[in-house]
Amino acid sequence: GQQLNQSPQSMFIQEGEDVSMNCTSSSIFNTWLWYKQDPGEGPVLLIALYKAGELTSNGRLTAQFGITRKDSFLNISASIPSDVGIYFCAGPPNSGNTPLVFGKGTRLSVIA
Amino acid sequence: NAGVTQTPKFQVLKTGQSMTLQCAQDMNHEYMSWYRQDPGMGLRLIHYSVGAGITDQGEVPNGYNVSRSTTEDFPLRLLSAAPSQTSVYFCASSPPGVNEQFFGPGTRLTVL
Repeated sequence: GQQLNQSPQSMFIQEGEDVSMNCTSSSIFNTWLWYKQDPGEGPVLLIALYKAGELTSNGRLTAQFGITRKDSFLNISASIPSDVGIYFCAGPPNSGNTPLVFGKGTRLSVIA
Repeated sequence: NAGVTQTPKFQVLKTGQSMTLQCAQDMNHEYMSWYRQDPGMGLRLIHYSVGAGITDQGEVPNGYNVSRSTTEDFPLRLLSAAPSQTSVYFCASSPPGVNEQFFGPGTRLTVL
């Protein structure tokens, strides 16, 4: 089946640093979704991207839909301790209500 | 709206026992799905449903049954639990024609 490759798998950063992570696919996606999972909780949608080249922000988070439609990027500026968690990218291989494919996640740790 | 609710939050079973994980949503979402999350594996789709009376298999359906008799509920049944089914289970739903899925808080299952 289709896979989404996320990198890095994990990262340790100092509070206040900026963070970048990315997600790549071997096939084209028409929508890219970024989720965050806090420890012991379910994933929460952060940002949804619908158009190649689109750049969307949600507070300190900014995500981009790659021009090739095979990748997406998530940046977090000025990290704070509550940014700790697992960040997942996801996308639907087909249009409409279809199952999502998820990356394996990037685990972020913030050192105060 | 309560969103997506899951019960129980924690469960311990013995090998061979059966049980049903409950999932309900009050947002009138047609699409619902079940995932399992294991360390380093991300989220893997078990079963999904595009509407009442319609279900389909995901990536890892073996050992699990589902049914969808109402729009609101999508229970997941383990007929004969095995230690390999020890995992965290998440239910998710999405509105018609939209890819964004909303997740429940999860059920942590241990099979001894």
